[in-house]
Amino acid sequence: AQSVTQLDSQVPVFEEAPVELRCNYSSSVSVYLFWYVQYPNQGLQLLLKYLSGSTLVKGINGFEAEFNKSQTSFHLRKPSVHISDTAEYFCAVSNQPEAAGNKLTFGGGTRVLVKP
Amino acid sequence: DAGVIQSPRHEVTEMGQEVTLRCKPISGHDYLFWYRQTMMRGLELLIYFNNNVPIDDSGMPEDRFSAKMPNASFSTLKIQPSEPRDSAVYFCASSTETIPSEVYEQYFGPGTRLTVT
Repeated sequence: AQSVTQLDSQVPVFEEAPVELRCNYSSSVSVYLFWYVQYPNQGLQLLLKYLSGSTLVKGINGFEAEFNKSQTSFHLRKPSVHISDTAEYFCAVSNQPEAAGNKLTFGGGTRVLVKP
Repeated sequence: DAGVIQSPRHEVTEMGQEVTLRCKPISGHDYLFWYRQTMMRGLELLIYFNNNVPIDDSGMPEDRFSAKMPNASFSTLKIQPSEPRDSAVYFCASSTETIPSEVYEQYFGPGTRLTVT
C-alpha cells in the first residue's frame, strides 16, 4: 500500500517571499508523483508531475518540485509567491508501471495563505 | 472542451432523502473518478471506472452509496437515504491513457457541495 504525508497543514507566507511545501511518500514500488492546486470553491488542477527523467520538475505559475528517491520526498517550491497563490496544495502518488489504472493517492493537503 | 461538468453545484436536502449527483467527463477520456472532500477526512476516492466499468469501489462508504456509468459521457453518484454525515463536496474527475503527455493526469470538475440537514 502507498501513502502520502504532507507535513504542514497550513503555511502562512508573505507576498514575494519563497515557499516550500513538503511531501513524503511511502511505497514498495516505483511511483509517479504529482502536485495539484485547489483554489477556493474550485476543483483541483495539475501543477506539475514527475514520471521519469530529470528529478527537478517545473510546472505552471512558477512552481517547481524535486524528486528525491532516497528520501522518498517530492517537495514543492516557489521562489516568490503572489497573493493569487493562496490555495490548498495536494501531493499525490501513483504506482508504476501500471499505475493501478490511473488511480492516485492524495496527501492531506497544505493550505497556503499569502499575506500582503 | 468544456472540461468536466458536474451538476448540481449545490444541493441541500433533508435527512432520508435520495440525492443524485451527475458528472459528464471530458470527451474521449476513458477513466472516471468520484471523490469526496471533507475537512475531517480530506480527499477520498470513492470509486472509479474504466471504459464505463467499475474497477475499484472499495472507497464507497456503505450500501447507501451507489454509482453508475451507463455510457462514456455520463455518470451518477446516488445516496439513498442521505444522512447529515454525507455532507461534503463531491468531485468527479476524468483522465485518459491514450494521450502520452496527459497520462495519469486527472481533470477535476468544480464539485457539488452537498448539505444534508
